[in-house]
Amino acid sequence: AQSVTQLDSQVPVFEEAPVELRCNYSSSVSVYLFWYVQYPNQGLQLLLKYLSGSTLVESINGFEAEFNKSQTSFHLRKPSVHISDTAEYFCAVSGTGTASKLTFGTGTRLQVTL
Amino acid sequence: AAGVIQSPRHLIKEKRETATLKCYPIPRHDTVYWYQQGPGQDPQFLISFYEKMQSDKGSIPDRFSAQQFSDYHSELNMSSLELGDSALYFCASSRENQPQHFGDGTRLSIL
Repeated sequence: AQSVTQLDSQVPVFEEAPVELRCNYSSSVSVYLFWYVQYPNQGLQLLLKYLSGSTLVESINGFEAEFNKSQTSFHLRKPSVHISDTAEYFCAVSGTGTASKLTFGTGTRLQVTL
Repeated sequence: AAGVIQSPRHLIKEKRETATLKCYPIPRHDTVYWYQQGPGQDPQFLISFYEKMQSDKGSIPDRFSAQQFSDYHSELNMSSLELGDSALYFCASSRENQPQHFGDGTRLSIL
């Protein structure tokens, strides 16, 4: 069984400040790791994925996450946030087999203010 | 690029009624997943299909059933609806070992 822990339910931050959203996972087998973002009344959009290779992965809009196997973490960071980054962020884990389901964390609400 | 299409976007039903949600995956995706997201909660896995065969089952009530058809679209059938079934229902699709892509969801409200 797999589980994901997002300790911070809400993270308030001022615009242009850096932010880190924490994610820790638990699994007895190899995993793939993901960050999804959900804007109000919308679906889940894939933000970042770690499947293999470099442990540091980046998105096109400035977010990055680093897979740390020893700490079983996949924290999400952005050096300078924008108002438009306000959303719910979900960390998720899946097995590496075909058709593996996603197990989500409880989400972190990122609230960016001026 | 084509995305996952879900219909309807909104659905209002009364207790004990039935509902059918539809999902059209991204072309050439061979796996479909269904998730339920209650208000203020994280998505919970319900059921998945790989090449039209059920591949995994999560916390799906016995009142719910699903299938994937020959054209790879999937339908989630829900009977004897209860107030607690009010939620966002997401469909996602993927191929091989690639990430799941989600539709915009169906918001089901039970009166």
